[in-house]
Amino acid sequence: DGGITQSPKYLFRKEGQNVTLSCEQNLNHDAMYWYRQDPGQGLRLIYYSQIVNDFQKGDIAEGYSVSREKKESFPLTVTSAQKNPTAFYLCASSTGGSNEKLFFGSGTQLSVL
Amino acid sequence: AQSVTQLDSQVPVFEEAPVELRCNYSSSVSVYLFWYVQYPNQGLQLLLKYLSGSTLVKGINGFEAEFNKSQTSFHLRKPSVHISDTAEYFCAVSEYAGGTSYGKLTFGQGTILTVHP
Repeated sequence: DGGITQSPKYLFRKEGQNVTLSCEQNLNHDAMYWYRQDPGQGLRLIYYSQIVNDFQKGDIAEGYSVSREKKESFPLTVTSAQKNPTAFYLCASSTGGSNEKLFFGSGTQLSVL
Repeated sequence: AQSVTQLDSQVPVFEEAPVELRCNYSSSVSVYLFWYVQYPNQGLQLLLKYLSGSTLVKGINGFEAEFNKSQTSFHLRKPSVHISDTAEYFCAVSEYAGGTSYGKLTFGQGTILTVHP
């Protein structure tokens, strides 16, 4: 089946620790995105990538980093600089056009110990 | 910059009743409009989208939405809801100005629809 796979489903971070969230897609999509979801705030864009080896900051990039070394993969690292990392993180992909729908993964819930 | 406001954070309704979830947007250029649905602990899936043409757009699961440019609104409606429609609904907008914006969506805050038996 084609789709987006996020792992792990649940992740716990200790103080001062960096953690990496995985996102893989087999839809052959050029564009990939990371959103953060907090209750009552909707989804906010962290980073997006339109093509391999290129990515741009979204609205709340501070404390996060990404890489796009392969078309299928867009991992997100939550660094120790992100002081409030507890949230639900959603990865998405699309063909890249502004009129195209996003395909979403099932999300990763990150909590701080 | 674009922005999206969903006017109701929660909407309770009884089964088989009609429902309207309200969405207003702000943008200085033309936009594409979307409604997504999220079931508990899952990702989002597209309900419908407005790109151009007829202002009344029909989507999956019996939902429809009407684009009103003068009021900058894109309200979602269903004439008769089911228990299974209980979920969170997000309105989203993507700007374009002759080129592409690479699908960079701005989402509203979400509306939790709860359908009671």
